[in-house]
Formats: sequence, structure tokens, C-alpha cells
Amino acid sequence: GAGVSQSPSNKVTEKGKDVELRCDPISGHTALYWYRQSLGQGLEFLIYFQGNSAPDKSGLPSDRFSAERTGGSVSTLTIQRTQQEDSAVYLCASSLVTTVTGELFFGEGSRLTVL
Amino acid sequence: TQLLKQSPQFLSIQEGENLTVYCNSSSVFSSLQWYRQEPGEGPVLLVTVVTGGEVKKLKRLTFQFGDARKDSSLHITAAQPGDTGLYLCAGFTGGGNKLTFGTGTQLKVEL
Repeated sequence: GAGVSQSPSNKVTEKGKDVELRCDPISGHTALYWYRQSLGQGLEFLIYFQGNSAPDKSGLPSDRFSAERTGGSVSTLTIQRTQQEDSAVYLCASSLVTTVTGELFFGEGSRLTVL
Repeated sequence: TQLLKQSPQFLSIQEGENLTVYCNSSSVFSSLQWYRQEPGEGPVLLVTVVTGGEVKKLKRLTFQFGDARKDSSLHITAAQPGDTGLYLCAGFTGGGNKLTFGTGTQLKVEL
């Protein structure tokens, strides 16, 4: 596809279950970012990938959160033992270059609701 | 800790009015970007400012980067309903690897 694709678009789960969120970046984009957004709020940085490596994992809220990227392309964000406070929209973005003028292209997000 | 604070948090105005949104930090940023986000979509880049004191214009939108590269402002002239959305500033740190977003300003322009 032409843009960043995220799946699922909506996920409702029960507290304590594990969830996986997937991101397909724009082809050729080496940088990939995950953010979390609560309703109407700013974006909270979670993790950043350059290729398959994650130089900055500083934003992951707890050890229940993990992410990987394979083949320099698809990334998966996994949340184990979900809690109600994990409910949010999880946004993925990719960028062609990692410079201070790089533009991030965002997907439409995965809305997670933990009951 | 939120490095970038935006004000106001909410703004509701009438079509034709002017407005300014502020983005402030105690940290120095290599560059600062402004994004706009509409409901159900991801943010979309409006502009990037790099040099302290830089001013960029995009039609009715004027962006300014502070001289010390710690703050920025977005001014909209003669706002239109199509300007409605969530405006987010974002600054690069860590050598251009990490983009930190501000707290957001929700703008509503009514007829």
C-alpha cells in the first residue's frame, strides 16, 4: 500500500489478556515509531526502530510492553496481561530518514479497549 | 514528564477570527515540527522549522521558532471550519532519532 497500515483498527479485550498490534510501514522507510494517544491528548513516545534494532526503548511503560521489527519492515507491539490503563489509540509512524527534518508518516492507529 | 507544553489546550472560535497556539519547553530542540490530526486519522505534518527565529508561512498559517529553539508558535489568520482539528507540536532530540510530541491544542472553528 501507499501509506502506513495498522491492524487491527479496533481491539476489545479483557483485562489480563495479551494483545498484538501490527504495523506495516511505507516501503523503504528505515525508521519506525510507536506512540500511544489518549483521547484528544498528545502522543506519548513508546519506542523507535532504526532498521531492526531499537536504539530507544525509553518510552515503554512497563515490562508488559514489548516490540519487535523483522526484515526492516513489519513491526509488532505486544502488550501482555493487559490492564484498563492500557486503553488508548496506538499509532505507528515511519520515516524515510532519521534527520531533524524527517517527516513522520502515520497510520490511522489501533484503538485498544481493555474491559 | 511532558517536555513540550502547548497552550491553550482547547480553543473554540468563530469563522474569520485569528488565533495563536503556543508550544513551550525548557529544552532546546534541533528542530520543531507542527502536525494536524483529524478524528480517526494519524497526524499529518504541516511544517518543520530548524533555525532559531525562523518564520514559515503556509497560506493562512504562520509558524515561528523561538530564537533559543525552545519554543514555537502557530498563528492562523481568518480561521475556517476546515482548520478544525488537533494541533500538535513536536521536537527532535537525541540527534534526530526521537520525536517528542506536545500536549496538543484542540481547535474548533464554527460558522
